Amino acid sequence: DAKTTQPNSMESNEEEPVHLPCNHSTISGTDYIHWYRQLPSQGPEYVIHGLTSNVNNRMASLAIAEDRKSSTLILHRATLRDAAVYYCILRDSQGGSEKLVFGKGTKLTVNP
Amino acid sequence: KAGVTQTPRYLIKTRGQQVTLSCSPISGHRSVSWYQQTPGQGLQFLFEYFSETQRNKGNFPGRFSGRQFSNSRSEMNVSTLELGDSALYLCASSLAPYGELFFGEGSRLTVL
Repeated sequence: DAKTTQPNSMESNEEEPVHLPCNHSTISGTDYIHWYRQLPSQGPEYVIHGLTSNVNNRMASLAIAEDRKSSTLILHRATLRDAAVYYCILRDSQGGSEKLVFGKGTKLTVNP
Repeated sequence: KAGVTQTPRYLIKTRGQQVTLSCSPISGHRSVSWYQQTPGQGLQFLFEYFSETQRNKGNFPGRFSGRQFSNSRSEMNVSTLELGDSALYLCASSLAPYGELFFGEGSRLTVL
């Protein structure tokens, strides 16, 4: 079972920031927080991941709570191309597996 | 750099038949994993391979099988197809364990 909880859907306006929340209250010390997104008719696409500290890359930022029980994916300026289903996933760095457990994700709608 | 290539992209089969799907990972990637995506169950892990060895398997019946070749290409097979096997089958590859997963566009199977 997925170990994360996300809202089913969110809406944003183009060029505005978007904050996508994720709760993972049962996270263990060796779990990395990964975000993937799936655009319509495509396979999932890696967005970002982190362990304890906030992370930034060209696509997004990841803010991780101090107790690591929640995190937020931040899209600084949403575009129409960011409309997708966003998945927050925990990956055990010591599990010896590439298995990803996907939840239902958050469907992001971006309005022009 | 070519991405993950899956063939065929679309196929239609009838109940009782069997199907083989192919996945060519990104050059240099040795880890390949497979996922099934349906509207009802979402994305579910099938199995993963690393250096021709199956490292992990999801909760699917024995009708679902796979293998990986020495060139890292992978195939999955579903025998005695059922209507419920209609789904998008996604393959992902990664350079190293726990690394970013790169997904293909999937093979959409319809079972009539």
